[in-house]
Amino acid sequence: DIQMTQSPSSLSASAGDRVTITCRASQGISNYLAWYQQKPGKVPHLLIYAASTLQSGVPSRFSGSGSGTDFTLTISSLQPEDVATYYCQKYDSVPWTFGQGTKVEIK
Amino acid sequence: EVQLVQSGAEVKKPGESLRISCKGSGYSFSRYWISWVRQMPGKGLEWMGRIDPRDSYMNYSPSFQGHVTMSADMSISTAFLQWSSLKASDTAMYYCSRHDGDNSPDYWGQGTLVTVSS
Repeated sequence: DIQMTQSPSSLSASAGDRVTITCRASQGISNYLAWYQQKPGKVPHLLIYAASTLQSGVPSRFSGSGSGTDFTLTISSLQPEDVATYYCQKYDSVPWTFGQGTKVEIK
Repeated sequence: EVQLVQSGAEVKKPGESLRISCKGSGYSFSRYWISWVRQMPGKGLEWMGRIDPRDSYMNYSPSFQGHVTMSADMSISTAFLQWSSLKASDTAMYYCSRHDGDNSPDYWGQGTLVTVSS
């Protein structure tokens, strides 16, 4: 099965900083990659699908890129409400594996 | 409005059986697969499997095959996840989500907390 590896596992940044999270697939998955945000105690929320398409209603400070095996989620200007854990998920073929998550905190 | 409404929290003893549900509304239930995701306390998301409500075709993650059973009833727009013999290690939040064909899941249920304790 294809493994998804996120890095870093956690990060702390100041409000207004640019934040980048990476997700690497152990084999190519084309652009079948989604990013989710999960705030503490809440349901995961779809941010980006097809590697780079912003889900309706998601702030434009979020963006995604990549194809094949290497993907990134970027928050252009970190806001206090972005404190959450972020997960990538492949959905090219089953099983639809998640990355282990990246916890984002504000300094 | 699209909604996936899951059944309420459960407290069970080891060895007991359980079935939790996920009811879709606001969309054509038969057109979307339902996936199940586990989140153990303080841990990440784990994809368990998915079911196509039209014909109950299923895919299981190897990690969950044989430990849980998925099913769906189109007549009541509801998908189910069941255990025949719960273990303490099944204690977790379980989420359902829907997806269309080759697309990623877009809507999620609110989650069902399952606690297994003697």
